[in-house]
Amino acid sequence: QSALTQPPSASGTPGQRVTISCSGSSSNIGSNTVNWFQQLPGTAPRLLIYTNNQRPSGVPDRFSGSKSGTSASLAISGLQSDDEADYYCAAWDDSLTVVFGGGTKLTVL
Amino acid sequence: QLQLQESGPGLVKPSETLSLTCTVSGGSISSSNYYWGWVRQPPGKGLEWIGSIYNSGSTFYNPSLRSRVTIFVDTSKNQFSLKWTSVTAADTAVYYCASGPGSSRPLYWGQGTLVTVSS
Repeated sequence: QSALTQPPSASGTPGQRVTISCSGSSSNIGSNTVNWFQQLPGTAPRLLIYTNNQRPSGVPDRFSGSKSGTSASLAISGLQSDDEADYYCAAWDDSLTVVFGGGTKLTVL
Repeated sequence: QLQLQESGPGLVKPSETLSLTCTVSGGSISSSNYYWGWVRQPPGKGLEWIGSIYNSGSTFYNPSLRSRVTIFVDTSKNQFSLKWTSVTAADTAVYYCASGPGSSRPLYWGQGTLVTVSS
């Protein structure tokens, strides 16, 4: 069981806006920043959002992140077929470890 | 832009020790203020953080794996490595090396290497 809780699946049609949630606790999301990763089929994960809402160079502004209390969300607007992937949230935990969410499989219908 | 590449055996017998190495190019481990770490992914499952090491030599490990894992750096070869003792079938996974300004936000990833534990 993962320390961060994500829905196992999400879906949307092209052009739609979808959100993926990530729920944690006071020792991780509640006191540290959240990062999001995208993993396309058969590839290594890619850092998508860091420090709650920052995008690394090259990540489209269709991807955005937010955090409130012990929860965080990833939003994808203008959904495209290329966005079909697994998405993971991660955060530092005060017990000196990194915790990941279980991952959300996004399907573009 | 750093590039990371994992190397190691694809097949390990149960109870043996697994050793994986990550070779870094495009930058120097010793001069980068980055965390150097490992993440694994069992077939069909999610990501699991194994641990990381900072340039100061400080190491951080997943508490559930700590007793069997060691991460260390060889600056002369610009590599960092993972040593995992007493492997079991449950340790079969793709192992990724990764690096970034924080343990929880690796920016650079290797392509991953599949390690199968089987007799």
